[in-house]
Amino acid sequence: AQSVTQLDSQVPVFEEAPVELRCNYSSSVSVYLFWYVQYPNQGLQLLLKYLSGSTLVKGINGFEAEFNKSQTSFHLRKPSVHISDTAEYFCAVTERAFGAQKLVFGQGTRLTINP
Amino acid sequence: GAGVSQSPSNKVTEKGKDVELRCDPISGHTALYWYRQSLGQGLEFLIYFQGNSAPDKSGLPSDRFSAERTGGSVSTLTIQRTQQEDSAVYLCASSLDFSSTDTQYFGPGTRLTVL
Repeated sequence: AQSVTQLDSQVPVFEEAPVELRCNYSSSVSVYLFWYVQYPNQGLQLLLKYLSGSTLVKGINGFEAEFNKSQTSFHLRKPSVHISDTAEYFCAVTERAFGAQKLVFGQGTRLTINP
Repeated sequence: GAGVSQSPSNKVTEKGKDVELRCDPISGHTALYWYRQSLGQGLEFLIYFQGNSAPDKSGLPSDRFSAERTGGSVSTLTIQRTQQEDSAVYLCASSLDFSSTDTQYFGPGTRLTVL
């Protein structure tokens, strides 16, 4: 069975500072990896996804993530955050062979940007 | 174009009553997914549809939960004899195709409160 661990439940940072949100996954099979963002009272929006190829994936809003197979990690980074990045971020995984995108989510990391 | 819509946005019901939650996917999307977001369990996958067929119902929490999809479009999630532990936000998502790589687009969710 797959599982996703987001190591930090809350991350406070100052505006324009860099941020890294950590994600580790556990799976016995090859997986696809995703980061979603949820703004207050809204649904989830895809930030980026890793399917294959380059391990550095660039997404929307200046975010990027790096897939590290040996460490089973998929950490999300942004070099300079803005107030508007305040939201909850979810890492998710799905099995490649499943045939459908049955997403397994981590518990989420609440990113708070302070002025 | 229009995104995924869900109705109602909020539903308050009494324990023991039945509720129906509705999801309108993006036009032309063949795959539809239901998730549940609760404080205790985080984001959980419930069920998916390929067209009108639900190949795997193992994610439904109990036999009080059922879902159907008609005409390859609208889906309803029905909870019979609601319990307080059913209180959660129910999220629906759709994707263009039935593939583990397609982007899922999420609706804003239905917040269910069982008194």
